[in-house]
Amino acid sequence: SQQGEEDPQALSIQEGENATMNCSYKTSINNLQWYRQNSGRGLVHLILIRSNEREKHSGRLRVTLDTSKKSSSLLITASRAADTASYFCATDAGGNNRLAFGKGNQVVVIP
Amino acid sequence: ETGVTQTPRHLVMGMTNKKSLKCEQHLGHNAMYWYKQSAKKPLELMFVYNFKEQTENNSVPSRFSPECPNSSHLFLHLHTLQPEDSALYLCASSHPTSGTNTGELFFGEGSRLTVL
Repeated sequence: SQQGEEDPQALSIQEGENATMNCSYKTSINNLQWYRQNSGRGLVHLILIRSNEREKHSGRLRVTLDTSKKSSSLLITASRAADTASYFCATDAGGNNRLAFGKGNQVVVIP
Repeated sequence: ETGVTQTPRHLVMGMTNKKSLKCEQHLGHNAMYWYKQSAKKPLELMFVYNFKEQTENNSVPSRFSPECPNSSHLFLHLHTLQPEDSALYLCASSHPTSGTNTGELFFGEGSRLTVL
């Protein structure tokens, strides 16, 4: 099954800086979603971008989608220590309640 | 609080034990899922239920047996597990697929399983 692949795998930044993560996938998608996971906890949905959308914003989050390159990016602006978490992209390739997740990006924001 | 509750949060079992993981959602969703999260690996979809009917079994070994008695409850029965089955098991729920789009998943906090 298709999987998203995040890049880079681990990121360490200072509080206030921006964090950017990328995700690539292999086949056509209906939508792409980003999730966050704090250590040892469940995943929390952040944002969903449909295949006919190119950019979406939610608070300090900005997601872009380039279907021609089969890639997406997640930008967190003005990072905070509380943003320390793992971030996953997930692709919906055919509905049927099937999301394929990547391995995740670990982001550490240093106060 | 996501509206999806998993119990127990931690479970240690021997390879010959039989145990069950429980998931309950209070969101009025009709789709429920089991995912397995192992270190250094992507989340693996195990089972999907839509309106209590199993619609996905992602080649999961028979030592994992799901049960969905109603749209709010989902169980994962465990029997004769192996040490490599140790992982975080995540339950999620969502509205059923709308058209061709799978929507947002709401996850529980997970059940950390250790098989000795």
